[in-house]
Amino acid sequence: SQELEQSPQSLIVQEGKNLTINCTSSKTLYGLYWYKQKYGEGLIFLMMLQKGGEEKSHEKITAKLDEKKQQSSLHITASQPSHAGIYLCGAPDRGSTLGRLYFGRGTQLTVWP
Amino acid sequence: EAGVAQSPRYKIIEKRQSVAFWCNPISGHATLYWYQQILGQGPKLLIQFQNNGVVDDSQLPKDRFSAERLKGVDSTLKIQPAKLEDSAVYLCASSPERLLVGEQFFGPGTRLTVL
Repeated sequence: SQELEQSPQSLIVQEGKNLTINCTSSKTLYGLYWYKQKYGEGLIFLMMLQKGGEEKSHEKITAKLDEKKQQSSLHITASQPSHAGIYLCGAPDRGSTLGRLYFGRGTQLTVWP
Repeated sequence: EAGVAQSPRYKIIEKRQSVAFWCNPISGHATLYWYQQILGQGPKLLIQFQNNGVVDDSQLPKDRFSAERLKGVDSTLKIQPAKLEDSAVYLCASSPERLLVGEQFFGPGTRLTVL
C-alpha cells in the first residue's frame, strides 16, 4: 500500500503571506493528487501531477512533483481567507490499475485577516 | 453537470443500530468509490465498484458493512450493527474510468455519529 506523510499538520498564517505544504512518500509516486476540503464537506480537486519535475499552477496555487517522484509540494502565494481549509494529497498504489487513492492525514490551513 | 449526490448529510444513531447511506454518481461515470474519513485522518477506501461489480473491497469490514450498486448507477452503503468507532464522514466519489488520467469527483459526504 501507499503511505503519505503531510507536513505541517496545521498552519496558521496572516493574509497575504506565502506558505508551503509538503507531501512525502516512502515509495515512488505514480501520480499525485491535491485536494482541498472544507470542514464537513467533500473534497475539491485542485491538481494532478504525473511526471517527475512537473509543476502546475492554478490562480495562486502551485504544485510540484520532485524529480525523484517521492515528494510533492503545494505552494500558495499571497494567501487569502478563501484558501482556508484542509489540504489533502492522494496517490494511487504503485502499479495498480484499480484506481483507489491513498491519502495523507491532511494539513489544516487557517488564514487570518 | 450535476455533481455526486449523497444523502443523508447527517445521521445520529445509537450503537448496535443500523444505518444506510445513498450515493448518486455523476451520470455516465463507471467507477464508484466509498471512502471512510475519521476525524483528523485522510479518507480511506472501503469499496470500489466498476459498473455494478465490486473490484476492491479489501478494506471493508464485511461482518458489519455491506454495499451494493444496482444497475451500475446508484449505490448504498449499510452498517449493521454500528459501533462507536464507525463515527466518521462517509464520502462517495465517482470517476469516468479507473483514474488513469483523471480525477475522482467527490460528493459532500454523510457525517455519521454513533452514540
